[in-house]
Amino acid sequence: SAVISQKPSRDICQRGTSLTIQCQVDSQVTMMFWYRQQPGQSLTLIATANQGSEATYESGFVIDKFPISRPNLTFSTLTVSNMSPEDSSIYLCSVSGTGHTEAFFGQGTRLTVV
Amino acid sequence: AQSVTQPDIHITVSEGASLELRCNYSYGATPYLFWYVQSPGQGLQLLLKYFSGDTLVQGIKGFEAEFKRSQSSFNLRKPSVHWSDAAEYFCALTSSGSARQLTFGSGTQLTVLP
Repeated sequence: SAVISQKPSRDICQRGTSLTIQCQVDSQVTMMFWYRQQPGQSLTLIATANQGSEATYESGFVIDKFPISRPNLTFSTLTVSNMSPEDSSIYLCSVSGTGHTEAFFGQGTRLTVV
Repeated sequence: AQSVTQPDIHITVSEGASLELRCNYSYGATPYLFWYVQSPGQGLQLLLKYFSGDTLVQGIKGFEAEFKRSQSSFNLRKPSVHWSDAAEYFCALTSSGSARQLTFGSGTQLTVLP
């Protein structure tokens, strides 16, 4: 398994601003993912963070809104840009385990936009 | 397209009672199936997983799940629930060999009565 640290754990932000969430893993991993969990909802995959290249976004998510960086095999950031109250969610970083057949999750970042 | 259905939004059981959480999936090939638990304010913790082989899998915290291909189900069970089991439970599926696109069910909220 992998130990995943996310920062910040929670934040309250003004609409129109941006927030960058950091994800640090205690070991090198090939695949890192970002999920969103809207209030009372399940998890939805935002994108796969690729090391050395642009992230791969899922349908409904775009780079301008959710820019992602992955400078190395242990670190990634997700930025939520130009926030609105609809962006209030828990954002979770995830990494795949050996063989890429399971995923481990950080504790999440609880974002409230006011 | 793959999908996961958790028919029960909320389940309440008394402490010491048995528990079964339902999960049905839709996928054209052999699925990789998971159960995760999310305690309040926490990230997701993997309870157990099914890849192949024995259809009854044991997990942590005394949980088990049974894969039934004929019913497209992967129900989670525990013979005796503890108050600390109160949490949200998510069933998830990924295509064989890849954690890239975990598809989650909508979750089941478990309340445990004293």
